[in-house]
Amino acid sequence: GDSVTQMEGPVTLSEEACLTINCTYTATGYPSLFWYVQYPGEGLQLLLKATKADDKGSNKGFEATYRKETTSFHLEKGSVQVSDSAVYFCALSRDKIIFGKGTRLHILP
Amino acid sequence: DVKVTQSSRYLVKRTGEKVFLECVQDMDHENMFWYRQDPGLGLRLIYFSYDVKMKEKGDIPEGYSVSREKKERFSLILESASTNQTSMYLCASSLAGGTNEKLFFGSGTQLSVL
Repeated sequence: GDSVTQMEGPVTLSEEACLTINCTYTATGYPSLFWYVQYPGEGLQLLLKATKADDKGSNKGFEATYRKETTSFHLEKGSVQVSDSAVYFCALSRDKIIFGKGTRLHILP
Repeated sequence: DVKVTQSSRYLVKRTGEKVFLECVQDMDHENMFWYRQDPGLGLRLIYFSYDVKMKEKGDIPEGYSVSREKKERFSLILESASTNQTSMYLCASSLAGGTNEKLFFGSGTQLSVL
């Protein structure tokens, strides 16, 4: 069946470092792909999405490109801030939404 | 601002108690969902509803039931709470129109069953 695999955390970086959180998926057909973020004490909120191959989603300095050839949707940011500390979830949507297990990100000042 | 409200942020219950978790959304969304979130397991879908009085089982429905008597309210019921139901419970809603729609989440209820 469909599945999402994302890199395990926690990931710890210094402020202004580059970030990549890997996400790969297994699905038949053409799912939509999402990144959700969960800040401490809050529910998840949509960060960005892409609905077809080669689409790039972007928001708040984060980007992810839908790569069908590698079945990947890696999350990237060029310069992270302390306020980016959160748990990040990759997800796919076809007939239902499937979430990865989440990656906790710590940014040190 | 759009809002999904869960009635309790923290809840402590005893084994065998009947537990109600309430969720209300103010966005006139058709779809509502209950997830549980556990460390190392991510989010797992318990139940969902695409319309009033309609419900469908998710991936882990055992030990749970739901009620949707009004469009804005979706309740999760633990008929007889057990310690393995200690978890963070997240409610979400979305517009009708398939699974490409953005999910809006509540802040969660951390349930401890002793």
